[in-house]
Amino acid sequence: QSVLTQPPSASGTPGQRVTISCSGSSSNIGSNYVYWYQQLPGTAPKLLIYSNNQRPSGVPDRFSGSKSGTSASLAISGLRSEDEADYYCAAWDDSLRGVVFGGGTKLTVL
Amino acid sequence: EVQLVESGGGLVQPGGSLRLSCAASGFTFSAYSMNWVRQAPGKGLEWVSYTSSSSSTIYYADSVKGRFTISRDNAKNSLYLQMNSLRAEDTAVYYCARNHLPTAIPDYWGQGTLVTVSS
Repeated sequence: QSVLTQPPSASGTPGQRVTISCSGSSSNIGSNYVYWYQQLPGTAPKLLIYSNNQRPSGVPDRFSGSKSGTSASLAISGLRSEDEADYYCAAWDDSLRGVVFGGGTKLTVL
Repeated sequence: EVQLVESGGGLVQPGGSLRLSCAASGFTFSAYSMNWVRQAPGKGLEWVSYTSSSSSTIYYADSVKGRFTISRDNAKNSLYLQMNSLRAEDTAVYYCARNHLPTAIPDYWGQGTLVTVSS
């Protein structure tokens, strides 16, 4: 049972916009930045979004992040086949004194 | 270019020990806090341990507290994880990760090293 809650799966067709939610609490998302990662099969996670809504250089602007209260979302617009991957949210938890991750969302491009 | 290369994984019997290493390059290692994160086969990401840049602050997940020890050698640009009293549930790919300053959340990850605990 992960501290941050994500839907286990999401799907969309090429060109569509999909969103992935991440729900937490006041001790993690409510008081700290949210980060998002993309993990392609057999590879290490790659940073997609940091500090709630900032993109590292090289990440397409099709990816965007937002946060409100104790929840956050990752949006992917103009869906492409290469976006098929697992997506994880993460935040620091002040009560647990550690990094907490969502359980991951498997995105399928139909 | 930031590079993190883990080593030391392998097959170990329950109750055994293993020491993982992570060689860092392409950035000022001594300026960054670091994490170990693991991923069991077919499962999600699980944070294991954190060390500040100077090792003055260290945290562990409850699942490994008292059995694992994180350490670093800034002169050698290296991060370590000493794992004792290993259990079957410790079987996972272990990632070394650099943290995004000034937070404790990873920005760059190594390729991972597989630890299998089995008799």
